[in-house]
Amino acid sequence: GENVEQHPSTLSVQEGDSAVIKCTYSDSASNYFPWYKQELGKRPQLIIDIRSNVGEKKDQRIAVTLNKTAKHFSLHITETQPEDSAVYFCAASRGAGSARQLTFGSGTQLTVLP
Amino acid sequence: DADVTQTPRNRITKTGKRIMLECSQTKGHDRMYWYRQDPGLGLRLIYYSFDVKDINKGEISDGYSVSRQAQAKFSLSLESAIPNQTALYFCATSGVADNEQFFGPGTRLTVL
Repeated sequence: GENVEQHPSTLSVQEGDSAVIKCTYSDSASNYFPWYKQELGKRPQLIIDIRSNVGEKKDQRIAVTLNKTAKHFSLHITETQPEDSAVYFCAASRGAGSARQLTFGSGTQLTVLP
Repeated sequence: DADVTQTPRNRITKTGKRIMLECSQTKGHDRMYWYRQDPGLGLRLIYYSFDVKDINKGEISDGYSVSRQAQAKFSLSLESAIPNQTALYFCATSGVADNEQFFGPGTRLTVL
């Protein structure tokens, strides 16, 4: 089955700096890579996703890049703000539409220091 | 707003007890999932259901069972709870034409 590794497990940055979280996956057939954000005591929520036919996707201050050859993908947050502090999970899956079993990484606790 | 709800939100029980966690959704989604979250391990899939007549095991189904009573309801049972089932449990849903999974608020289960 799929295995997703996520690094680092904790990350502290100064407000305004950039943050990068990296994930690697094992199944070369995986074709969908979402990122979820979980604020303290809250439920995970999708923040951005990318499919295997795209190398990069941006949404305001967040971006995701995908390297299919190396089987890794990364989340980039620019101009970090205190409200970006949360646990971030990457995930990978194969298949089409919502007939997907997501395999999650172990999470990264991001702390943005004022 | 359409939502995913879970009951109970917190539960403390003893080893050997039978426990049922319930999930309901008003999103009209066909697909429902149960995950457990443990510190440092992320979210792991227990069971999933693509429609009322479809039940599938996930990565860590041992010790758990599920029931899909209706399109909107998906229950997770622990037949005989053990301490290492202490965790935060999330239900999630997704639509047929949508990749995004929508999570419920979670149930914190403690098995003593």
